[in-house]
Amino acid sequence: GAGVSQTPSNKVTEKGKYVELRCDPISGHTALYWYRQSLGQGPEFLIYFQGTGAADDSGLPNDRFFAVRPEGSVSTLKIQRTERGDSAVYLCASSPTGPYYNEQFFGPGTRLTVL
Amino acid sequence: AQTVTQSQPEMSVQEAETVTLSCTYDTSENNYYLFWYKQPPSRQMILVIRQEAYKQQNATENRFSVNFQKAAKSFSLKISDSQLGDTAMYFCAFMTPNAGKSTFGDGTTLTVKP
Repeated sequence: GAGVSQTPSNKVTEKGKYVELRCDPISGHTALYWYRQSLGQGPEFLIYFQGTGAADDSGLPNDRFFAVRPEGSVSTLKIQRTERGDSAVYLCASSPTGPYYNEQFFGPGTRLTVL
Repeated sequence: AQTVTQSQPEMSVQEAETVTLSCTYDTSENNYYLFWYKQPPSRQMILVIRQEAYKQQNATENRFSVNFQKAAKSFSLKISDSQLGDTAMYFCAFMTPNAGKSTFGDGTTLTVKP
C-alpha cells in the first residue's frame, strides 16, 4: 500500500511568513509523529499524536509552532512568523496500533528554507 | 532525559566486507526499544533492525545484526557482505514503551566502495 506522504516536498519562504506542512500517514495508522532534521544531524522530536489528540508536544520549540490532526488521519504542522533558524527538513512518521506500534514509518520529508 | 551518541560521523568499507557502526545511549529506564534506521541520499528513512531491551538474544535481519550490551548501554550494528546499496546515513534511535518520541543520534555516514 501507499506509504507516508508529505507535501510540499520543498518550501521556500521569506522570514516572517506563515507556512503549513502536510502529512498523510499510512491508512489505519493511529499514531503520527513530527520531527525536524537539521543538516548533518539526527531527527529531533517535535510532537506525537495518538488519534486526534496531541499525546506529547514537548518537542515544539516555541509557540510559533503548532500542529493539528482534526480527523485522526492527515496532520498539518503550522509555523508562524518563520525565522531563518526554522530552515530544516521536517519529517513525518506514522505507526499502527497493536504489537508493532513502536515501528515508525517515515515520509520523505519537506525541506523548508526560510530566506 | 535519554541521549543517544554515535561517535563515528563517517565510515567507509569495501564492497563485500563487514563493517560495525557504534551507538551508545544513556537512560534510567529498564524497558525500552532500540532501532537502527537507514537514510539513503534520497532522504526517506527506513527501519533496518530493532531490539527490545528485555530480550537477551541479539536481533538479526539478513546481513544486518546487532550487538546489544545492556549493562554497557551499547547497541552496535554489524553489516556483513556490504553492498553498494548500503551507502547511506545510519541513525541509532531509542524509545520507551508507549512513548511517542524516539531520540536519535546524529548519525554515521557509511560509504561502501566498489
